[in-house]
Formats: sequence, structure tokens, C-alpha cells
Amino acid sequence: DAGITQSPRHKVTETGTPVTLRCHQTENHRYMYWYRQDPGHGLRLIHYSYGVKDTDKGEVSDGYSVSRSKTEDFLLTLESATSSQTSVYFCAISDSQREGRSETQYFGPGTRLLVL
Amino acid sequence: DQQVKQNSPSLSVQEGRISILNCDYTNSMFDYFLWYKKYPAEGPTFLISISSIKDKNEDGRFTVFLNKSAKHLSLHIVPSQPGDSAVYFCAAGRALNTGNQFYFGTGTSLTVIP
Repeated sequence: DAGITQSPRHKVTETGTPVTLRCHQTENHRYMYWYRQDPGHGLRLIHYSYGVKDTDKGEVSDGYSVSRSKTEDFLLTLESATSSQTSVYFCAISDSQREGRSETQYFGPGTRLLVL
Repeated sequence: DQQVKQNSPSLSVQEGRISILNCDYTNSMFDYFLWYKKYPAEGPTFLISISSIKDKNEDGRFTVFLNKSAKHLSLHIVPSQPGDSAVYFCAAGRALNTGNQFYFGTGTSLTVIP
């Protein structure tokens, strides 16, 4: 299994409070991703990183920001949590592209976030 | 709009029989396709992949078929085992200069009946 950990694993917070989720990898992979999983939507990409300090938006990035100051850590921040951000959040990593083709992503165990 | 669709939310199969899970996509630029298996309270686990230059890939009991003209892929599990009971997600991706973007289906919950 790829060495990916997420912290915290569970969190309950109140609307309007800031929340930061951490993803840590020991694989030295270049690419890191944050997804959210919701019933009826599958997994949706929030933000991703293609290197230290290099990030870009995914399909559901509103209300979220990310930072990557080290290869091994990718942080997801909810600046002011809302109830619509109650979800399960997954981090994923992948290695460099080969011959321009996509590479497999490996997922962490997830963080279950409840915003009251 | 959902670029990757799994139209069957659930599937039940008898142990030992074949399980066929289906997935459709809309973007012809996708060049790589993945299947993931997910148990409750765990992260998705990579199962099998196929690139757009192939139409079939096998790994033990799992085979993925790709029909590019129909924009359709399927996962066959033969023989199905009770431990295969899980939610299966298909994903389609393409390589960009800044990384690999994948789009996921909504999942199919497979139940293998002993």
C-alpha cells in the first residue's frame, strides 16, 4: 500500500470556523490531490498539486484553499466551514506521468468531516 | 455535467458467477481508465487499469474491457467471491501538463451472495 496518511480521521466543527485537513505521503510522489465523496456524486476533485508550491483548481474548488510547502504534505483548508462541506475527504497521490499518459492514483484512508 | 457515469447503483450476483460492472464516459480525450474498489470507512483501493491504446486488460479474476467507439468500459469479475462485495468506482483521466486529472463515476455497490 502507498504510504499515505490523513489527519484528522474524524472532525466535527461548527459553521463559520476554519478547518485544515492534512495529507502526508512517504512515497515522494510529485502529484497530490484532494477529493470529496458525497452520495450520488462519487469522488470529485477539489484541488491538486503538481509540485511544491504548485497547485491548481479542480471541479469543486469554491470555499477551499490548499498549500504544499513540502513534497510530503498537502493541506486542505476550509476558510469558513459550511454545512454543505460536510463530506468525506480523500487525499490521493500519483507518480510522474510516463510518455504523457495518466498514472494511477493511490488514496489515503479519508477524513470524515461534519459541519454543524 | 457528469463526464463518467455508472448507471447501475447496485448489483447482486451469486458466488461463483460472473459480475459485470459498466461505465460510460463522454470525453474522447480521456486516455487512461481505472477501476477502484471501496469498502466502508476506507479509501478507494486501486484494482485494475487500461490505457486507451488497448481494448482489454486482465489481472487474475479481473478483466477490464474498453470500447472506445462506444465510450464504454466494463469490469468483469470471474468467479465472484463474497469478499468482492464492495462499491466499485470507475475513473477516466487524461494527462495535462500540470498533472493527471481523473473523473469518477458515482459507484456501483456489488453484493456477492454466498
